[in-house]
Amino acid sequence: EAGVAQSPRYKIIEKRQSVAFWCNPISGHATLYWYQQILGQGPKLLIQFQNNGVVDDSQLPKDRFSAERLKGVDSTLKIQPAKLEDSAVYLCASSTIRTGGSYEQYFGPGTRLTVT
Amino acid sequence: GNSVTQMEGPVTLSEEAFLTINCTYTATGYPSLFWYVQYPGEGLQLLLKATKADDKGSNKGFEATYRKETTSFHLEKGSVQVSDSAVYFCALSPGRGGKLIFGQGTELSVKP
Repeated sequence: EAGVAQSPRYKIIEKRQSVAFWCNPISGHATLYWYQQILGQGPKLLIQFQNNGVVDDSQLPKDRFSAERLKGVDSTLKIQPAKLEDSAVYLCASSTIRTGGSYEQYFGPGTRLTVT
Repeated sequence: GNSVTQMEGPVTLSEEAFLTINCTYTATGYPSLFWYVQYPGEGLQLLLKATKADDKGSNKGFEATYRKETTSFHLEKGSVQVSDSAVYFCALSPGRGGKLIFGQGTELSVKP
């Protein structure tokens, strides 16, 4: 099966500009996650969707970050306006509940954002 | 709250050496525990997992045992190879199907 797709792979913008990232999860995966990974740190969850509804956005800086998953499939994460501290890799992951109740998150390759 | 602490890297070993990467956690309830690996230039991949106390996860020669009494999930491998060079992340999930909380990662470099 095809993996989680993300685009673009790299983006360089100036502070105060806006940027958008796109994610297409594995087909049939109802749950979609966006994580932020700052250099030298582990990924941190920004937002979790179940189908097209938000399950957890407690760590999303809502004054500048927004995300949507309108049809319960692909998703867009937007930053407006960007700050220097937003420089990071933005990871998208998806998961589904397997037979027996286990699950696994599959990660995309990430988008590396540099804010100058 | 929930958190994960890993030993700091980088860890440098010679080929065929024994590997241990320490991971301890703080969590309410009964989390699931995971080790993810990130090879150079690639995305995060699940290496192994354990969903309840005393479970042992294993894959590709790596093992980790869920120790509730010591709140630990240390990663071990008996004989590392150059191809094991990567960054390893310990993570927990507080609930089924829920978010992952990651440690800071440990970089492993294996020299021939």
